[in-house]
Amino acid sequence: AQSVAQPEDQVNVAEGNPLTVKCTYSVSGNPYLFWYVQYPNRGLQFLLKYITGDNLVKGSYGFEAEFNKSQTSFHLKKPSALVSDSALYFCAVRDMQTGANNLFFGTGTRLTVIP
Amino acid sequence: DGGITQSPKYLFRKEGQNVTLSCEQNLNHDAMYWYRQDPGQGLRLIYYSQIVNDFQKGDIAEGYSVSREKKESFPLTVTSAQKNPTAFYLCASSARHSTDTQYFGPGTRLTVL
Repeated sequence: AQSVAQPEDQVNVAEGNPLTVKCTYSVSGNPYLFWYVQYPNRGLQFLLKYITGDNLVKGSYGFEAEFNKSQTSFHLKKPSALVSDSALYFCAVRDMQTGANNLFFGTGTRLTVIP
Repeated sequence: DGGITQSPKYLFRKEGQNVTLSCEQNLNHDAMYWYRQDPGQGLRLIYYSQIVNDFQKGDIAEGYSVSREKKESFPLTVTSAQKNPTAFYLCASSARHSTDTQYFGPGTRLTVL
């Protein structure tokens, strides 16, 4: 079965400090992994994805994520956090069993950047 | 939120009523999806459609129905059989290739009174 876990419900970081939002996955075969961000009462915005190739993926708004196959992780990172980064972050993995493009989502991590 | 629109933004329903949530996309995407979001549970798939006139049940389809008569439209009906319909509903679309990204609409918040 495919799944994705976000072990931290809440992450707090000071403005200007580096941030990490953790994600681990379980899939059969090669994983397709995604990160999305959600601001209050809004839809999800796509940040970045890993399909193949370089393990460090760069995305929108200065975010990047590192794919680590041995640790089955895909942590989201940013070198210097902004207050405006405060939001709910979701990791997702592609469903590779049904043949559709469905995604399995983690339960989300709320990031708070403290001024 | 791009080229996906959802309406209404807020919807109130009395118990026993059916309601229909609208989702329209102008991205020329073949595939469309409906998710339900509850606090602390992430997003759960209700229905998806990979092509016009075809759709499949997701993980939590009971109490919901959909149609896909046009490529750009994928309305979701929340029926009276759905016992706990209060939630935030998100529509998404994507191309059909497995590596393609899903893009989301702004969502509809449904509250049962």
